[in-house]
Amino acid sequence: KAGVTQTPRYLIKTRGQQVTLSCSPISGHRSVSWYQQTPGQGLQFLFEYFSETQRNKGNFPGRFSGRQFSNSRSEMNVSTLELGDSALYLCASSTGQGDEQYFGPGTRLTVT
Amino acid sequence: GQQLNQSPQSMFIQEGEDVSMNCTSSSIFNTWLWYKQEPGEGPVLLIALYKAGELTSNGRLTAQFGITRKDSFLNISASIPSDVGIYFCAGPRRNNDMRFGAGTRLTVKP
Repeated sequence: KAGVTQTPRYLIKTRGQQVTLSCSPISGHRSVSWYQQTPGQGLQFLFEYFSETQRNKGNFPGRFSGRQFSNSRSEMNVSTLELGDSALYLCASSTGQGDEQYFGPGTRLTVT
Repeated sequence: GQQLNQSPQSMFIQEGEDVSMNCTSSSIFNTWLWYKQEPGEGPVLLIALYKAGELTSNGRLTAQFGITRKDSFLNISASIPSDVGIYFCAGPRRNNDMRFGAGTRLTVKP
C-alpha cells in the first residue's frame, strides 16, 4: 500500500503571494488532517477533512483554508503569505474513526 | 493543539543506554500513539496502544498504556545512533481531533 504523498516537497514564496499544497492519503482513508510545524511551536493543528467536509478546525486565521475532493485527496491554501508562515506543513491520513494517523513527508515552505 | 505533557524535553545519552520518556494528560484517552520524526521528514508511527494497561513492543521499543488512561510511557533499550530524532506522543479525541505532546528530542552519542 502506498503511503501518504505530499507535493511539492519544497517551496519558496514571497510575502503577499498565495500557495497551494497537495496531499494524497493512503488508499481507503477518508480523513486528511493538516498540521503546521515550526521549531518554536511544535505541531499545530490546522484542520481536518472527512468525506469532503471540514470536521475540525484549529486556531489559525482565515488565510489558511483547505478542501477535500471526492477521491479523498486534499489541498491546503494559504493566501497573503507572511514571513511567519514559513514552516513544515504536514498532512496525515486516517480512517477517521479516532485511530492512528499516518503522516506524509511534509512540504517545507519558505516565505521571503 | 498540544494538550499532552511530554517529558523530558530532550535527552543526551550514550550509545547502548536505555531511554525512557512519558506523556501525561488531564483527560482520558482511548488510544495512545508514539511517533518518531527525523529531520526534514514527517513523523512515523512507532507504536499504537488501544487498551488500558497494554504493553506493546516493536523491536527495542516498548510502550505502555497507563491504567488511568491518562498517561503512556515509551522505552528504548540499548540505544543506537539511528535512534536520534524527536519522539512524539499523541492521542485522538472525539471526531479524530488528534492531540500531540511537544516532543522529546533524543541525541545518542556513539
